[in-house]
Amino acid sequence: GAVVSQHPSWVICKSGTSVKIECRSLDFQATTMFWYRQFPKQSLMLMATSNEGSKATYEQGVEKDKFLINHASLTLSTLTVTSAHPEDSSFYICSARYSGGDTQYFGPGTRLTVL
Amino acid sequence: GESVGLHLPTLSVQEGDNSIINCAYSNSASDYFIWYKQESGKGPQFIIDIRSNMDKRQGQRVTVLLNKTVKHLSLQIAATQPGDSAVYFCAENNAGNMLTFGGGTRLMVKP
Repeated sequence: GAVVSQHPSWVICKSGTSVKIECRSLDFQATTMFWYRQFPKQSLMLMATSNEGSKATYEQGVEKDKFLINHASLTLSTLTVTSAHPEDSSFYICSARYSGGDTQYFGPGTRLTVL
Repeated sequence: GESVGLHLPTLSVQEGDNSIINCAYSNSASDYFIWYKQESGKGPQFIIDIRSNMDKRQGQRVTVLLNKTVKHLSLQIAATQPGDSAVYFCAENNAGNMLTFGGGTRLMVKP
């Protein structure tokens, strides 16, 4: 149980384009989903917290207009990187937590490369 | 600010030996701790957790120890196998129900 998927697993795009990443909880309802970014050989850095049906809460230094988050259902959250630039290249990981739970279950990650 | 950190960035062990990965935390108000395993190119995988009202919890081949006096957390892996090779993160769940990750320790298992 507690399986989280992400799509796509790997994407390469040109600078200036927008990329959407999906995060799905497959066997549970996730009232809260989290988006992290991880650079090589570094730890995970929280970007934003996404609550179903409400606006996401962004961490300090994360541009909400650049990283659009939508959590329209209890099993799906999307992260859209708008006007991507090479410095946005990273490993993006989502996690999901069910209502009343403490544990976050992570997706497999999405490798974004911006040329 | 509050932080969760690790003592050793890399740990190399012989296959079959026991591994101990350590983590120090500084937020004394944290009440829930988690160990994650991350293999290359994959997302973190939940291993084991422990609440602050406990000092030890055992799983399959893994044990987590919590010492609140010195704010120290450890993960013990028994009979380490090649498949255990990965980066291990401790994470601290704070009062805001958010996870703060340590820097990670790479475990390398020698055959």
